[in-house]
Amino acid sequence: SQQGEEDPQALSIQEGENATMNCSYKTSINNLQWYRQNSGRGLVHLILIRSNEREKHSGRLRVTLDTSKKSSSLLITASRAADTASYFCAPTDTGRRALTFGSGTRLQVQP
Amino acid sequence: EAGVAQSPRYKIIEKRQSVAFWCNPISGHATLYWYQQILGQGPKLLIQFQNNGVVDDSQLPKDRFSAERLKGVDSTLKIQPAKLEDSAVYLCASRLTTGKNIQYFGAGTRLSVL
Repeated sequence: SQQGEEDPQALSIQEGENATMNCSYKTSINNLQWYRQNSGRGLVHLILIRSNEREKHSGRLRVTLDTSKKSSSLLITASRAADTASYFCAPTDTGRRALTFGSGTRLQVQP
Repeated sequence: EAGVAQSPRYKIIEKRQSVAFWCNPISGHATLYWYQQILGQGPKLLIQFQNNGVVDDSQLPKDRFSAERLKGVDSTLKIQPAKLEDSAVYLCASRLTTGKNIQYFGAGTRLSVL
């Protein structure tokens, strides 16, 4: 699988604000996933968007995908202190292989 | 449904010693992965199993790392001898073989090599 690159590397916001993080990748994909990792924990799957989808929602999460620009964004609305974590994107071009992760975006939500 | 179980949670060893990590995936998940996550980086794949067979071990440092999944369920990852640069979190993940490639991760084992 190819690697996604998350941007920015770090983001600090106040509780209640929205947080936006971006992911870029290099080649064609079947789908793209976002994962969250709280400190000292494993990764947790958040959302999967297929290559033929442009936008997907799950609770306070909104993911967009622009295959022409080879980029995706994750928006967390009305952020909470509990959203403090690292966020990773994982573009996948085949269903059989392992995911490849970038260095992630470290989000700090100040109470 | 129980999640991916890993043990131990923490391990401290001296360089040149050996260490082993254990993983029990979610029941019914035929595909199992071991990742290494160095501080400040994303997880990097070490090895992927399908049942008890190795699918991809191209990034496993085979001179010191070994892994097995003898009965196609739980798995062990071993490092012998450990180096300072092996200090990292070792994550196990599993998934169903069919359907979406959504992986379920354990909490990891944090290894410190002194």
